[in-house]
Amino acid sequence: SQTIHQWPATLVQPVGSPLSLECTVEGTSNPNLYWYRQAAGRGLQLLFYSVGIGQISSEVPQNLSASRPQDRQFILSSKKLLLSDSGFYLCAWSVSPGSKTQYFGPGTRLLVL
Amino acid sequence: GENVEQHPSTLSVQEGDSAVIKCTYSDSASNYFPWYKQELGKGPQLIIDIRSNVGEKKDQRIAVTLNKTAKHFSLHITETQPEDSAVYFCAANTGNQFYFGTGTSLTVIP
Repeated sequence: SQTIHQWPATLVQPVGSPLSLECTVEGTSNPNLYWYRQAAGRGLQLLFYSVGIGQISSEVPQNLSASRPQDRQFILSSKKLLLSDSGFYLCAWSVSPGSKTQYFGPGTRLLVL
Repeated sequence: GENVEQHPSTLSVQEGDSAVIKCTYSDSASNYFPWYKQELGKGPQLIIDIRSNVGEKKDQRIAVTLNKTAKHFSLHITETQPEDSAVYFCAANTGNQFYFGTGTSLTVIP
């Protein structure tokens, strides 16, 4: 069966510090991968998605970036965090091509102080 | 692009009653509509989905209906239980992208 991992689970970082969040998927090959951000009490905002290694599509301009160095690894990064980057970051995957069902990881809660 | 609206934002029901959450979408090209349940501090979990060639789908106490002409779809939970309390999100899928509603916080009162 497929499993999606995210780490760390919780992160507290000072403003201006760098960020690296990691997501890995097990049990499938060539998945579509997604990064979402969820602000407190709000819906999910799509940040990036990837249909393959090295292929990244960005949905909103921001100081975040994403990379996919391996088939089942998706990384969210920032060189300098802003206060507004605080939130709950969710990684998700779906089968490509085929079923459109999207499965979410457990999330990383980021607090920028 | 696609725009998904979800109502209500909060919903309280007595245990055993039914709960209905409604979503509308704008892009007629959207053809897949999942519903997610999110408990506090956890990632969303898929609970039911429906594709554009189907009008209704049911899984035990949960059902989803889709009206393609009106571009709206709804989640129905019958015989609600306290463990149904959570935030529910609808979504619409076009191509590789998913567009989410803003969520409904459901509280089931014992």
